[in-house]
Amino acid sequence: DGGITQSPKYLFRKEGQNVTLSCEQNLNHDAMYWYRQDPGQGLRLIYYSQIVNDFQKGDIAEGYSVSREKKESFPLTVTSAQKNPTAFYLCASSNALGRGIGNEQFFGPGTRLTVL
Amino acid sequence: DAKTTQPNSMESNEEEPVHLPCNHSTISGTDYIHWYRQLPSQGPEYVIHGLTSNVNNRMASLAIAEDRKSSTLILHRATLRDAAVYYCILRDVGLGIQGAQKLVFGQGTRLTINP
Repeated sequence: DGGITQSPKYLFRKEGQNVTLSCEQNLNHDAMYWYRQDPGQGLRLIYYSQIVNDFQKGDIAEGYSVSREKKESFPLTVTSAQKNPTAFYLCASSNALGRGIGNEQFFGPGTRLTVL
Repeated sequence: DAKTTQPNSMESNEEEPVHLPCNHSTISGTDYIHWYRQLPSQGPEYVIHGLTSNVNNRMASLAIAEDRKSSTLILHRATLRDAAVYYCILRDVGLGIQGAQKLVFGQGTRLTINP
């Protein structure tokens, strides 16, 4: 089955520790995205990548870092600099270079991170 | 980014049609209207999108006002599995590559379906 996998589903970390969230897609999509969702709120864009070895900051990039060494993988590191890291993190991908009018984003199941 | 306004919540009965409204009075000529929905504890999924004409697919229909300042997502026969948060999003393809890829999610409409 083609799709996006995120692991783990639930993650607990102590305050002050960096943590890396995994995102893998086998859809052969060029673009990948990371969003954060807080309870009762919509999604906010953290980082996105249009192509391998390139990525751009989204609206709330502070305290996060990413890499895009392979087309199918886009891991997100939540650093100790992120003031309020507890949230639901969603990864997405789309078949997009160019304007991609109909290029819907496909989302993974999410990772719920709790920092104690 | 052009903004959308949706009701916080709506309720409907199973097997009845549901009309989910969205206002986007500042929409530009290059904004496409996209709808996504998010089931509890899951990632969002694409529902439908359109520019000017009404659109139909297997999931829903999208009715767009003539002046494009509002649109309505129509679920023709709601089931319990349609209970979700529905997001109406404007996607500006006039911003070039980077802008076109960004989805800006508001708080959406929480749809409850009664059995």
